[in-house]
Amino acid sequence: QVQLVQSGAEVKKPGSSVKVSCKASGGTFSSYAISWVRQAPGQGLEWMGGIIPIFGTANYAQKFQGRVTITADESTSTAYMELSSLRSEDTAVYYCAIGGYNWNDASTEQMTNWGQGTLVTVSS
Amino acid sequence: EIVLTQSPGTLSLSPGERATLSCRASQSVSSSYLAWYQQKPGQAPRLLIYGASSRATGIPDRFSGSGSGTDFTLTISRLEPEDFAVYSCQHYGTSPRYTFGQGTKLEIK
Repeated sequence: QVQLVQSGAEVKKPGSSVKVSCKASGGTFSSYAISWVRQAPGQGLEWMGGIIPIFGTANYAQKFQGRVTITADESTSTAYMELSSLRSEDTAVYYCAIGGYNWNDASTEQMTNWGQGTLVTVSS
Repeated sequence: EIVLTQSPGTLSLSPGERATLSCRASQSVSSSYLAWYQQKPGQAPRLLIYGASSRATGIPDRFSGSGSGTDFTLTISRLEPEDFAVYSCQHYGTSPRYTFGQGTKLEIK
């Protein structure tokens, strides 16, 4: 059973960047599809992007293209999400989650395990 | 891009009643790629259903999923006090990788 542990809460100024980490244990990190999902206060879940470490390249939701960078370090089984040019609307809880990857049709699968969430507050 | 619309926004029921939650896709999707999640306040989402109708590990059989094409349903046969939460549907697969519905809040009447 894979467990995901995220870094702690952050308070950032508008225009700055934040980098959140997600360390996995108990599974084969490289072959999972790792996603970052955020949830603004009182709002629904929003997929930001993801990475499959064995491939190394990330893909992003169009809304966040150019502002988010997702990376993975296989040596430490840790994924990272960096969001730049922060604004107040980016105040949210950021989750990492893992799911399977279907090698037969190159599709991602459901998100089976989630981190505990990291609150990022953007305020001047 | 696929848009998932959930209804109702809020559902008020009593313990013991049956809950029926809807998720409608803007275009036909494969039922193989439709999931449901439960989220309680202050907690991360938990996978309930994948492939439209398969229960995830440890999920009680009072939870069931059904549907195909553009219309999908999550049914909770007899509500327990711990079932009152927010439920979100999700499409996964290829491009874009994941899309969520806006969620349905199931509250105690």
